Amino acid sequence: GENVEQHPSTLSVQEGDSAVIKCTYSDSASNYFPWYKQELGKGPQLIIDIRSNVGEKKDQRIAVTLNKTAKHFSLHITETQPEDSAVYFCAATRGSDMRFGAGTRLTVKP
Amino acid sequence: GAVVSQHPSWVICKSGTSVKIECRSLDFQATTMFWYRQFPKQSLMLMATSNEGSKATYEQGVEKDKFLINHASLTLSTLTVTSAHPEDSSFYICSALAVGETQYFGPGTRLLVL
Repeated sequence: GENVEQHPSTLSVQEGDSAVIKCTYSDSASNYFPWYKQELGKGPQLIIDIRSNVGEKKDQRIAVTLNKTAKHFSLHITETQPEDSAVYFCAATRGSDMRFGAGTRLTVKP
Repeated sequence: GAVVSQHPSWVICKSGTSVKIECRSLDFQATTMFWYRQFPKQSLMLMATSNEGSKATYEQGVEKDKFLINHASLTLSTLTVTSAHPEDSSFYICSALAVGETQYFGPGTRLLVL
């Protein structure tokens, strides 16, 4: 089955700096890669996603890149703000089968 | 769009009682919904896949007689934790599968069994 690894597990940055979270997956048939943000006590919220036929996608301060050959994808957050502090999960999906990474706890220091 | 609600948001019950959690897709129809369990500082653990009009598919190690799932309509799935015990205390989250394989999550239900 699919195995998703996510790094780092914790990340602390200064407000205004960039943050990068990386994930690798094992199943080459996975074709949809969403990223979720989870704040304390809440459900995960979809923030951006990318499909296997696209190499990069950007939405304001958030971007995701995908390298199908290497089977890894990354989340980039620029100009971080304290409200970006949360746990971020990557996921790899094939059909309705979605597997999550272990999560990255991002702390943005004001 | 793509809003998923859960009810209740939190529940405290006595050991041995049963608890029902509802998951609704508010603005779209979902033939497939998912139930996850999350322990503190851990990732989401898939418990079961709920399919409208058919039996749920449970992940290995999840007791189907303990965690009863009913997906009676295209907008509602329920999870019933039967004979709950303290070790069932956790954060339960549902999601609904929308067009394009995107899962939208509910806000979660925190269960505390005393």
